[in-house]
This record gives sequence, structure tokens and C-alpha cells, in this order.
Amino acid sequence: GAVVSQHPSRVICKSGTSVKIECRSLDFQATTMFWYRQFPKQSLMLMATSNEGSKATYEQGVEKDKFLINHASLTLSTLTVTSAHPEDSSFYICSARSQGNTDTQYFGPGTRLTVL
Amino acid sequence: LAKTTQPISMDSYEGQEVNITCSHNNIATNDYITWYQQFPSQGPRFIIQGYKTKVTNEVASLFIPADRKSSTLSLPRVSLSDTAVYYCLVGGFSGGYNKLIFGAGTRLAVHP
Repeated sequence: GAVVSQHPSRVICKSGTSVKIECRSLDFQATTMFWYRQFPKQSLMLMATSNEGSKATYEQGVEKDKFLINHASLTLSTLTVTSAHPEDSSFYICSARSQGNTDTQYFGPGTRLTVL
Repeated sequence: LAKTTQPISMDSYEGQEVNITCSHNNIATNDYITWYQQFPSQGPRFIIQGYKTKVTNEVASLFIPADRKSSTLSLPRVSLSDTAVYYCLVGGFSGGYNKLIFGAGTRLAVHP
């Protein structure tokens, strides 16, 4: 149980284009999902908190107009990187909050974005 | 948000027990302690979670002293495949939510 998937696993795009990444909780409902970014040899950096049915909450320094987040259902959140640039190349990871007594986060496998 | 401090790296050999200690002096009453394992180019994988005393599952044990200001992840008889980065995080509680902030983690290298 508690499986989170991401699609695509890897994407290469041209500078200036937009890329959408999907995060799905496969066997549980997640009212809250999170988006992280990880650069090589570094730790995960929280970008935003995605709440079902409401606007996402962005961390300081993260441009909300560049990283569009939509959480339209209890099992799906999407992150769209708009007008991507080479510096947006990174490993993007989502997590979903499984509610219960201990409120655990489960992570997706990640999406490798390369912007040419 | 409770900050965590872990050793940057550790080395071990196959078959040994590895203990990774994490300090979290500012842990809140409702916070749980969760450990994740991450391999290169993969998302973090949940290992174990606890609130106090000792928790054991099929892969690890988690020891938490009474004051909860630290915790120790114990990996019995490690193998080469346990080489990974291990993250200790505090937060996440029922009834509300506290976002998880990742520290640097501990890079464990298991040698033959």
C-alpha cells in the first residue's frame, strides 16, 4: 500500500516550452501533496504544498507563476514548469500525505527534467 | 519547524549493524520522527516512523529516548544494497499538518 507514481519519469524539452508532471496516489486519497526539487548531490528542497480544491502554498523564493500546481482530485496533483530554461533542469519529486494516526508522507519515484 | 542534525557520512562493512543518530532538540509534542532512504535518481523510500520508545519493522529499528530530542535508526546486518542517503525528519501529525523539511541526510557507504 501507499504507492505514489509520477509521470513522466524523464523528460527532455527545449528552452521556452512548458512541461507538465503528474503525481498520483494509487491506493489512497491524498488531500495534501508536496512538490520537491533536488539538484545533484543535494538534499530535497520543498517547493510547494498542494491542497486538493484550493490554491497551492509556495515556499519562499519559488515563483508561483513559473511552477503552476493543480490538485484537482484526491489522487492527482500536477506541476507545470512554464517557459522552461536550462536552470530549471532538475529532479522533481512529489509526495502524498497519507492521513491516519501518524500522517506519513510517501514519495513518488521522481521526474528528471532536462531543458536544452 | 524542528531542525534535525545528522552525521554527513558513515562507512560500514557488509554484515555489520549500523546506527545513525539524529538530533532534534526542538521537536514538538505532536511531531513524529520519520526516516527515509534514498538511492540516486529515486524518490525517498519510507523506512520507519515512531513517536517514542522503540519501533521495529522488517528492515530497521528506531530508538527514541524519553526526552525525544534524538533518535537512532538501526540497520541490522547491512549489505552493499544499503548504500544510500538516509534522512531523519520530524513533523507530520494527525489533526493538522507540519510540512517536512529535509536536512542534508547521512550518506552511508557499505563496503565489501
